Amino acid sequence: AQSVTQLDSHVSVSEGTPVLLRCNYSSSYSPSLFWYVQHPNKGLQLLLKYTSAATLVKGINGFEAEFKKSETSFHLTKPSAHMSDAAEYFCVVSDLRNTGNQFYFGTGTSLTVIP
Amino acid sequence: DTGVSQDPRHKITKRGQNVTFRCDPISEHNRLYWYRQTLGQGPEFLTYFQNEAQLEKSRLLSDRFSAERPKGSFSTLEIQRTEQGDSAMYLCASSLLAGGPGTQYFGPGTRLTVL
Repeated sequence: AQSVTQLDSHVSVSEGTPVLLRCNYSSSYSPSLFWYVQHPNKGLQLLLKYTSAATLVKGINGFEAEFKKSETSFHLTKPSAHMSDAAEYFCVVSDLRNTGNQFYFGTGTSLTVIP
Repeated sequence: DTGVSQDPRHKITKRGQNVTFRCDPISEHNRLYWYRQTLGQGPEFLTYFQNEAQLEKSRLLSDRFSAERPKGSFSTLEIQRTEQGDSAMYLCASSLLAGGPGTQYFGPGTRLTVL
């Protein structure tokens, strides 16, 4: 079975400091991993995805994530937080055995950016 | 804007009433998904279509729920005899069938409140 654990339900950082949002996954097969962001009253937006190519994935708005198979992790980072990064972030897993390709979401991490 | 639209954006209904939601996916996408998101949780898979065929349904989809995608384009999700526990955000997503898990593009959601 596939699942995702987001280790922090809330993260608070100061503007201009690094962001780290942690995600661990469980998948018996080669996973595809995604990070989505959800701003208030907006739809889910794809930040980045890993699909068995380079393990360091760069996304939009300066975010990146590194796939570490040995640690079953896919943590999201950004060198310098901006006020507009305040939102809910979801880590998502899917895999090739899953013919329906449905996504399994974590419970989300709420990011607060302090001015 | 991802190109996936949902209507209505908000729906308030009384317990026992029927409601229907509509999703218009990105036009060339042959897969369409429905998810449900409750407060403080990540979205949970309900069902998906490949073209007009409904290929999988989650156990979350009770017999009061029915979904259709009659011509392989837009989809509807109907909930009969609504209950207060049905209050949630209902999300639609679409993707292009590919060799593996593809990116899903999400609509803004329909927020259902059952009084």
